[in-house]
Amino acid sequence: GQSLEQPSEVTAVEGAIVQINCTYQTSGFYGLSWYQQHDGGAPTFLSYNALDGLEETGRFSSFLSRSDSYGYLLLQELQMKDSASYFCAFNAGNNRKLIWGLGTSLAVNP
Amino acid sequence: DTAVSQTPKYLVTQMGNDKSIKCEQNLGHDTMYWYKQDSKKFLKIMFSYNNKELIINETVPNRFSPKSPDKAHLNLHINSLELGDSAVYFCASSQEPGTIVGYTFGSGTRLTVV
Repeated sequence: GQSLEQPSEVTAVEGAIVQINCTYQTSGFYGLSWYQQHDGGAPTFLSYNALDGLEETGRFSSFLSRSDSYGYLLLQELQMKDSASYFCAFNAGNNRKLIWGLGTSLAVNP
Repeated sequence: DTAVSQTPKYLVTQMGNDKSIKCEQNLGHDTMYWYKQDSKKFLKIMFSYNNKELIINETVPNRFSPKSPDKAHLNLHINSLELGDSAVYFCASSQEPGTIVGYTFGSGTRLTVV
């Protein structure tokens, strides 16, 4: 089958660095995406990795290791506004849809 | 210039009623989706259309019927609403089905069935 695991909750303080991990199980894999969703808002696309390695977009970076079926989202210089849910999602290639994780709720405290 | 717009934003209705949610995208994308997000925040895909053709129809009660008059519009009609239908419904679009390069979501329709 196909599945994704990510932690349900993460807490960090302003200015810190936090890493949200995502492990997946699938026979086919065409890349991993990350989305952010604030309470009451819509998911917004953050980053994607089609190949192994690190992709950097400002304070956010996303990493993928296909051999380990593992990826992570790294958030640096945390700000209060980063408090949100973060979803990873992958494309298994055979069903024309993304497989979504259950989301990680990040709380950034002062 | 809203990229994916859906209406209404809030919908409160009684059990047994029929309601519709509309979605429009101006991004020129070929694929549109309906997602349901429950109180536990799980994003469950319901339907997907690619160039007006239904390509994903998940295990959804047949009280839910999508319709795509053209590739920029995707509507969702729900018959005989039940309490369990209460959720936030998101429309989304992407350039191609299941792309990892990024879906664009609408702001959501919060449906409350009483």
